[in-house]
Amino acid sequence: EDKVVQSPLSLVVHEGDTVTLNCSYEVTNFRSLLWYKQEKKAPTFLFMLTSSGIEKKSGRLSSILDKKELFSILNITATQTGDSAIYLCAVGSGGSNYKLTFGKGTLLTVNP
Amino acid sequence: GAGVSQSPSNKVTEKGKDVELRCDPISGHTALYWYRQSLGQGLEFLIYFQGNSAPDKSGLPSDRFSAERTGGSVSTLTIQRTQQEDSAVYLCASSLALRGGTETQYFGPGTRLLVL
Repeated sequence: EDKVVQSPLSLVVHEGDTVTLNCSYEVTNFRSLLWYKQEKKAPTFLFMLTSSGIEKKSGRLSSILDKKELFSILNITATQTGDSAIYLCAVGSGGSNYKLTFGKGTLLTVNP
Repeated sequence: GAGVSQSPSNKVTEKGKDVELRCDPISGHTALYWYRQSLGQGLEFLIYFQGNSAPDKSGLPSDRFSAERTGGSVSTLTIQRTQQEDSAVYLCASSLALRGGTETQYFGPGTRLLVL
């Protein structure tokens, strides 16, 4: 059974701190790894990573994938209160290009 | 453009009643997904529709759950004889059906279902 594990489960930081969120996986026939940000209810897409070692970056957020060690990290620098959310990691695997296995998420709280 | 929409936003029902949840995907997206998110859990895949192909129903937890997609657009998830363990947020997503690779899924705001 495919498995995606995120850590930590929750994290509280102060504005301006840098945070690193972790996602490890055990899946059959890895295809891609996706990060989503979930505020209130709707997850919003952040990044998709398919190649190892390539960093995807958008503003203060960046992510890298290590296919050899089977994990990814999501970095957020100079955190702001608006970064408070659940960050979800999902892995596409197997013979389909649509089925994603999600981790339980990391709840990030950024205090002013 | 308009994103994925879902209705109702919240639904409270009594145990044993049937409920219908609706999803309107992004215009032009041929793929549609339903997920369930229970408290403290990750998203659990329920069902996938792609064009006129037979849906992938492998994630439906029991025969009380069913879904339809009419005209390749709007979808309805029906839960019959609801149980308290059905209480969760039900999320719908849609995507362009790409050949190869992984489709990026865009999510709606969800329906929070509470079964009393």
